[in-house]
Amino acid sequence: EVQLVESGGGLVQPGGSLRLSCAASGFTFSSYWMHWVRQAPGKGLVWVSRINSDGSSTSYADSVKGRFTISRDNAKNTLYLQMNSLRAEDTAVYYCARDDGHWGKGTTVTVSS
Amino acid sequence: DIQMTQSPSSLSASVGDRVTITCQASQDISNYLNWYQQKPGKAPKLLIYDASNLETGVPSRFSGSGSGTDFTFTISSLQPEDIATYYCQQYDNLPPWTFGQGTKVEIK
Repeated sequence: EVQLVESGGGLVQPGGSLRLSCAASGFTFSSYWMHWVRQAPGKGLVWVSRINSDGSSTSYADSVKGRFTISRDNAKNTLYLQMNSLRAEDTAVYYCARDDGHWGKGTTVTVSS
Repeated sequence: DIQMTQSPSSLSASVGDRVTITCQASQDISNYLNWYQQKPGKAPKLLIYDASNLETGVPSRFSGSGSGTDFTFTISSLQPEDIATYYCQQYDNLPPWTFGQGTKVEIK
């Protein structure tokens, strides 16, 4: 069974940093492109970042470019999102998703003083 | 960037009704379109991929159609468990993924 389990969310002050992780199991992680998507409270889904299967190519939404870094460790079957210079508007549930539409349950990030 | 315009933003229908949601892309995306169902507090669940293909295990009352810029999602006979928000999503590119604004479906 395909499983994606996010972790690393929490409460952080504006300007702070967090690293999210997404542990994958039940499939060959190294064969899939992966994404991060976020959803602010009461709002819709917004794509954040994507990484290709071997980690050599990444892309970002304009709203996070220069602040967030996506990466992966195929040996550990884990996807990461390093989030720096966090702002209140980054407050959201963050989901990792496989390129073909399988999603994890999400982890909540709250940016507040 | 590709924009996805989804309508309506909400609808109320009776059990057994046929429900239709539309999604329009700002440029040709061929059939690179998914439809998701999201229930409160839960992750989105893929229902339809490649515009018209039913994901394994999804009830056949759900269907999708369209190509190019205009797409339609249909629930042929609304059930109480279908109460959710539905999103279209393009994966043609620019940026890699773009979502519609969502349609909240309620029971009348």
